Amino acid sequence: DAGVTQSPTHLIKTRGQQVTLRCSPKSGHDTVSWYQQALGQGPQFIFQYYEEEERQRGNFPDRFSGHQFPNYSSELNVNALLLGDSALYLCASSTAGHSTDTQYFGPGTRLTVL
Amino acid sequence: QQQVKQSPQSLIVQKGGISIINCAYENTAFDYFPWYQQFPGKGPALLIAIRPDVSEKKEGRFTISFNKSAKQFSLHIMDSQPGDSATYFCAASIGGNQGGKLIFGQGTELSVKP
Repeated sequence: DAGVTQSPTHLIKTRGQQVTLRCSPKSGHDTVSWYQQALGQGPQFIFQYYEEEERQRGNFPDRFSGHQFPNYSSELNVNALLLGDSALYLCASSTAGHSTDTQYFGPGTRLTVL
Repeated sequence: QQQVKQSPQSLIVQKGGISIINCAYENTAFDYFPWYQQFPGKGPALLIAIRPDVSEKKEGRFTISFNKSAKQFSLHIMDSQPGDSATYFCAASIGGNQGGKLIFGQGTELSVKP
């Protein structure tokens, strides 16, 4: 049973560029959440997708956008990159309506903005 | 009110000892409290979780103690092993239709000395 997968593993961009990160949820899961984890910090919630719609959003600017596809996979897009966007970006999947709200995380994508 | 405060920031324990990490929250609407373990370069992995209708949950060497009136919960690792050396995060979320947004603590870096 494949867990949550993310691509790419690492990414280096320069300020002002745009980036797209990808996530495939755990088999049987239909909800995808994205988190940003700065070095030495806990993950911060960016947004959550369910049924191809953004269901919840954290305190992140509109430069951060996402998409969910019919097969439940998801993309995170960040425009006009800033140095402060350098972080580990984590994708987590879960099952909508599951009573325990258990989220399983992928290995993350390490984004470095120069 | 959405914060989860975690302490200590770092912890050194001898092999075989007990590791204790504490978390406190303010929002009484939180109804799910997971603990995650994260190794360097990896995504967080769910360790154990509890709901506020029970005061304690034990899984192997890991125990969550929950004090609803004090709005505090803690993770106890019994017989700590060098392989337990990792960063531990407590988290909290609100279930229901808007469920799944995890609020993380700042993390505790645990080092178990042989």
